[in-house]
Amino acid sequence: GAVVSQHPSRVICKSGTSVKIECRSLDFQATTMFWYRQFPKQSLMLMATSNEGSKATYEQGVEKDKFLINHASLTLSTLTVTSAHPEDSSFYICSASPGTVNSGANVLTFGAGSRLTVL
Amino acid sequence: AQSVTQPDIHITVSEGASLELRCNYSYGATPYLFWYVQSPGQGLQLLLKYFSGDTLVQGIKGFEAEFKRSQSSFNLRKPSVHWSDAAEYFCAVGARTGRRALTFGSGTRLQVQP
Repeated sequence: GAVVSQHPSRVICKSGTSVKIECRSLDFQATTMFWYRQFPKQSLMLMATSNEGSKATYEQGVEKDKFLINHASLTLSTLTVTSAHPEDSSFYICSASPGTVNSGANVLTFGAGSRLTVL
Repeated sequence: AQSVTQPDIHITVSEGASLELRCNYSYGATPYLFWYVQSPGQGLQLLLKYFSGDTLVQGIKGFEAEFKRSQSSFNLRKPSVHWSDAAEYFCAVGARTGRRALTFGSGTRLQVQP
C-alpha cells in the first residue's frame, strides 16, 4: 500500500533557528501533499496544500513566510519552520494520496508525524 | 464550509464492552467519510471509509461504521473492545471532487478499563 515517510520524527531546536521537515511518498508519486498541525490533545488543522512545481496554498491564518513549503519533486515535500519560537512547538503531520486532484475516491495516507520542540 | 463534530471528548469503557463513537458532519452534499485512529505520539491509521453504496462499512480491527444521511452521522462501533483499542479516534470528511484535504473532528479519546 501507499506509504508516506516523515523525517525527523522528533526535533528540538533553539528559538530563532530554522527547522526543515521532510515528507516523502515512498511507493507512489504525489502531485499534492497536505501539511497538518496538531496541538497537544487537539485535532489536526490543515496548514497548507503543497503542489509539485508550484506555490503552496496556505490556509487562512497560516503565515506563509514562517512555514515555507517546497514541493520540488513528485515524491518529496518539505516544511521549513523559519525563525522558530516556542509557540511553534507542535506535532506536524503530512499526508498524500496517489490519486489526481479530481479523483476524490483516493484515500490520504498520513506520515507518522514530526514533533517539534522549540526551546 | 464542511465541518465535523465529535460530541464526546473522552469515553471510558470496560474491556469486552461494546463501543460507539459519535460523529456528525456538515457538508453541502454527501461527502467522503473516514475514521482514523491515533496512538500517542503516532501518526494516523485509517480504520474505515465510506464513499458510496452500502451504508454499513466494515473496517480493520473489528470496527464498523454506519452512514446515516438523514442524521448527517457516521458513528463508529465495535461490539467488544480490547485494551489495545485505547487511543484517540478522529472522524473526518473530504470532498468528492477538487481538493482532497480532509477536515477532522476534534477527536474522542478512548480509555479501556480492565
